Amino acid sequence: GIQVEQSPPDLILQEGANSTLRCNFSDSVNNLQWFHQNPWGQLINLFYIPSGTKQNGRLSATTVATERYSLLYISSSQTTDSGVYFCAVGLGTGGFKTIFGAGTRLFVKA
Amino acid sequence: GAVVSQHPSRVICKSGTSVKIECRSLDFQATTMFWYRQFPKKSLMLMATSNEGSKATYEQGVEKDKFLINHASLTLSTLTVTSAHPEDSSFYICSARDMGLADPEYFGPGTRLLVL
Repeated sequence: GIQVEQSPPDLILQEGANSTLRCNFSDSVNNLQWFHQNPWGQLINLFYIPSGTKQNGRLSATTVATERYSLLYISSSQTTDSGVYFCAVGLGTGGFKTIFGAGTRLFVKA
Repeated sequence: GAVVSQHPSRVICKSGTSVKIECRSLDFQATTMFWYRQFPKKSLMLMATSNEGSKATYEQGVEKDKFLINHASLTLSTLTVTSAHPEDSSFYICSARDMGLADPEYFGPGTRLLVL
């Protein structure tokens, strides 16, 4: 089956720093989403980005579908950005299915 | 944005009992709902895909008789953990999709199950 790899697995940032999270996937996908899971477990939709670039405040994302990767940029990080960031790809063969990467665990220190 | 709710948010039960978890799409009709399981510090694992009015499709390794899924309407899916055992303790998360593959997937807040 498809492999979804995220890097780095863990990241510690000083407040105010910038970072880039990467998601590589091994096969063609129908869609791609980035999520932030807060400490209470809630998954927050950040971006729905099967291709192209999107920006939302301090966050932006780029997906290059032909090269099978996506990047999530966090600028001027804040302590509230801490949590786990997941990349999830949607597959169409055999029905609707979403496969999650292992996540990047981010801690932003004050 | 689309909102998905789950109830209960947490439940503690005795071994051998059954637990039902509800997943509702509050402001849209979900043709497809999904159930995931997440172990501590791990990623989400898809358990099953549920389509309104039809039987759920379970992922390999997920026991159909252990995890009963019902999707009776376009806004409600339920997961029943039957004869729960301590190893069933986990964080269960549902999600819903409005239409097809081109639509985002929206997640509920999750249910923490602890089986004693």
